Amino acid sequence: KAGVTQTPRYLIKTRGQQVTLSCSPISGHRSVSWYQQTPGQGLQFLFEYFSETQRNKGNFPGRFSGRQFSNSRSEMNVSTLELGDSALYLCASRLAIQETQYFGPGTRLLVL
Amino acid sequence: AQSVTQPDIHITVSEGASLELRCNYSYGATPYLFWYVQSPGQGLQLLLKYFSGDTLVQGIKGFEAEFKRSQSSFNLRKPSVHWSDAAEYFCAVGAQSNFGNEKLTFGTGTRLTIIP
Repeated sequence: KAGVTQTPRYLIKTRGQQVTLSCSPISGHRSVSWYQQTPGQGLQFLFEYFSETQRNKGNFPGRFSGRQFSNSRSEMNVSTLELGDSALYLCASRLAIQETQYFGPGTRLLVL
Repeated sequence: AQSVTQPDIHITVSEGASLELRCNYSYGATPYLFWYVQSPGQGLQLLLKYFSGDTLVQGIKGFEAEFKRSQSSFNLRKPSVHWSDAAEYFCAVGAQSNFGNEKLTFGTGTRLTIIP
């Protein structure tokens, strides 16, 4: 089975712009979670989608949003980018709630 | 709220030596526990997990971990490290959130360096 894929792998944006990241889960997985990884804050949970519904949310401002499509693919959007949004954004999928999460390679976002 | 502590930020081990990475968690009920490994520029790979049952868990790449409820610990061990084990290791706890679903909380990671 193919693993979790994320596109793009690298991205450079400037402050004030918005960005959309994409995640395709492992085939058959219905849950997709997003995490932000930075050197200062470590790995932080953003949100989780299951069957197109947001089921869980971390402590991030409203500039961070997401959605999930009927084929379980998910997108994450960050509006009005700030320098501090520079990070590795990781997506993880799992078959169902309380199953193991499998991570993709991440999208590295640099905000200038 | 649940939390995970990895007290060692960086560990250096000689190739062939044994390894133990420490992890302590805080959670009111029985947690789900995980160890993930991350190589530079890569995502996270699951090494092993504990949900219930036998407290000594075997994982991939020769790693094992032991769940000790009395010490709130889930330390990762390997009897003999290889140069390819150099990476960052994350311990995580999965616990019920306010939304009724389980989410992962990660420790800050331990960076492992292997010397010849």
